[in-house]
Amino acid sequence: DQQVKQNSPSLSVQEGRISILNCDYTNSMFDYFLWYKKYPAEGPTFLISISSIKDKNEDGRFTVFLNKSAKHLSLHIVPSQPGDSAVYFCAASAGGTSYGKLTFGQGTILTVHP
Amino acid sequence: NAGVTQTPKFQVLKTGQSMTLQCAQDMNHEYMSWYRQDPGMGLRLIHYSVGAGITDQGEVPNGYNVSRSTTEDFPLRLLSAAPSQTSVYFCASSRGGEYSGNTIYFGEGSWLTVV
Repeated sequence: DQQVKQNSPSLSVQEGRISILNCDYTNSMFDYFLWYKKYPAEGPTFLISISSIKDKNEDGRFTVFLNKSAKHLSLHIVPSQPGDSAVYFCAASAGGTSYGKLTFGQGTILTVHP
Repeated sequence: NAGVTQTPKFQVLKTGQSMTLQCAQDMNHEYMSWYRQDPGMGLRLIHYSVGAGITDQGEVPNGYNVSRSTTEDFPLRLLSAAPSQTSVYFCASSRGGEYSGNTIYFGEGSWLTVV
């Protein structure tokens, strides 16, 4: 049972445009969500996170939106740059001592064309 | 600042052999965990620790063993390697407590092939 799903295996975007990556979850106990970026042969790198008490969090070109009623979150990258090309993972965690236990989606390969 | 360090980076094992993947962090983090990444499946949690002497199973613990004798180290042991354990393994660490400002850091990965 996939508790965190990224239904788009890949996304292709032109440089300067917006990239929108989506993620859905089913477990109501999840209350903290993270996005990671991963290059080949490297470990995942933290990008941005959001707590369930918020519906939006911004960090530079990256914004994460959370819709708790729909159990949906999205990552917006504006403007997209060729260096953003990577695999993006959505991850979720429940509270308390489960904080460091992440459930990941399958990942979305983002390609930003110059 | 080394962060999370994993060794070895690459390893080839024969079926039935045992080995230990090492993980060390220098950030005094309480929480440490091991994940494996397989094609099309994202990362899946193998084992988890909230502090020295405390471990817990994750989603895919079978065939793996862990212990946490110090805050810094969290080794992952493969007891009798099987081809199904061919994967990329990632160690992660984080502080405990409040979510705000907290993040989970990953090592660079260990590529394991079991033949």
